[in-house]
Amino acid sequence: AQRVTQPEKLLSVFKGAPVELKCNYSYSGSPELFWYVQYSRQRLQLLLRHISRESIKGFTADLNKGETSFHLKKPFAQEEDSAMYYCALMNTGFQKLVFGTGTRLLVSP
Amino acid sequence: DAGVIQSPRHEVTEMGQEVTLRCKPISGHNSLFWYRQTMMRGLELLIYFNNNVPIDDSGMPEDRFSAKMPNASFSTLKIQPSEPRDSAVYFCASSRTAYEQYFGPGTRLTVT
Repeated sequence: AQRVTQPEKLLSVFKGAPVELKCNYSYSGSPELFWYVQYSRQRLQLLLRHISRESIKGFTADLNKGETSFHLKKPFAQEEDSAMYYCALMNTGFQKLVFGTGTRLLVSP
Repeated sequence: DAGVIQSPRHEVTEMGQEVTLRCKPISGHNSLFWYRQTMMRGLELLIYFNNNVPIDDSGMPEDRFSAKMPNASFSTLKIQPSEPRDSAVYFCASSRTAYEQYFGPGTRLTVT
């Protein structure tokens, strides 16, 4: 069965500090993974997908199949990064996303 | 473009009452998803439609929950009868591709 685990409910860092939001998955097929973000008073939206290998708002995420992880990283956190972050796995059979429970990132000045 | 529209934004009801949540997807999107968000369980997929047809309703918790999509521009999620444990934020999302879903603002449901 496919599953996404985000072990931290809350991650609190100071501005300028590095950030790593953890995500582990279990999936028997070839995984497609994504990060979604929800800023305060805004809608949940796609942040990045592993296939694109992009850096969005300074965030990157590398798929590590050996460790079944897809951690989201940013070298220097900004206050505007404070948000709820969800890791998601694509179930290609049913063409649907399976979300983790989310991690709230709080960046303090 | 207003994006995905959901109504009502807030709903407070008493246990045992029927609740109907509404969603208007983005025009041209052929998939529609209903999610429930709680602190404990995060974001759970309840059901999704493709071209107005329910494809996967394995996430619907009980027979008290039902969803319909009578046409490409409207969907409803109904809870009858409602219970306090149904209190959550319910999101509707639509998409053209399975992975890039566009979420609505959500309906915050409180069942007392």
